[in-house]
Amino acid sequence: DVKVTQSSRYLVKRTGEKVFLECVQDMDHENMFWYRQDPGLGLRLIYFSYDVKMKEKGDIPEGYSVSREKKERFSLILESASTNQTSMYLCASSLLSLAGGADEQFFGPGTRLTVL
Amino acid sequence: KNEVEQSPQNLTAQEGEFITINCSYSVGISALHWLQQHPGGGIVSLFMLSSGKKKHGRLIATINIQEKHSSLHITASHPRDSAVYICAVWKTGTASKLTFGTGTRLQVTL
Repeated sequence: DVKVTQSSRYLVKRTGEKVFLECVQDMDHENMFWYRQDPGLGLRLIYFSYDVKMKEKGDIPEGYSVSREKKERFSLILESASTNQTSMYLCASSLLSLAGGADEQFFGPGTRLTVL
Repeated sequence: KNEVEQSPQNLTAQEGEFITINCSYSVGISALHWLQQHPGGGIVSLFMLSSGKKKHGRLIATINIQEKHSSLHITASHPRDSAVYICAVWKTGTASKLTFGTGTRLQVTL
């Protein structure tokens, strides 16, 4: 079974702090994703990576950065946390579809971040 | 307007009822994904489909590409089916990235 793990289930930080959210997958997937989920808005893509050191902005990248130094690990960084970044953060991974088609995404358990 | 719309937003059913959740999309897609999210946050994949119908246990998913519509059916519903059901699509030309609906919250009571 594919396993996607996230470093914390719950996290409380203060405004202005630098925050690191870590995601690790164990199935050698090329693609990794960071989403945030807010009531009434659904999941929105923050950043996406299709290979080590490669990244693409998603729909809402402002205030976030990412790092992918190893294939299995994808980190989301909040350089200076703000209260409007309080949310549920979900990581996912999938195989790279060379034909440009769809490949099932596997999700981590989520990190509920509160910024005070 | 969202590219992926789900209805209803909230649904309450009694145990044993047949449930239908609808998903309509306004873009070209290569496939559609039905996901389930239980309280606490974890999301699991239920179905991926690009045509026709798929069945797994009491769950059935159908898609009509011409009408840009998919349905998720739950037969003989049970309280453990209570969850948020999310429809997502792979838009044509944006391989790997999903576009999500806002979810349908289902509560099944005894």
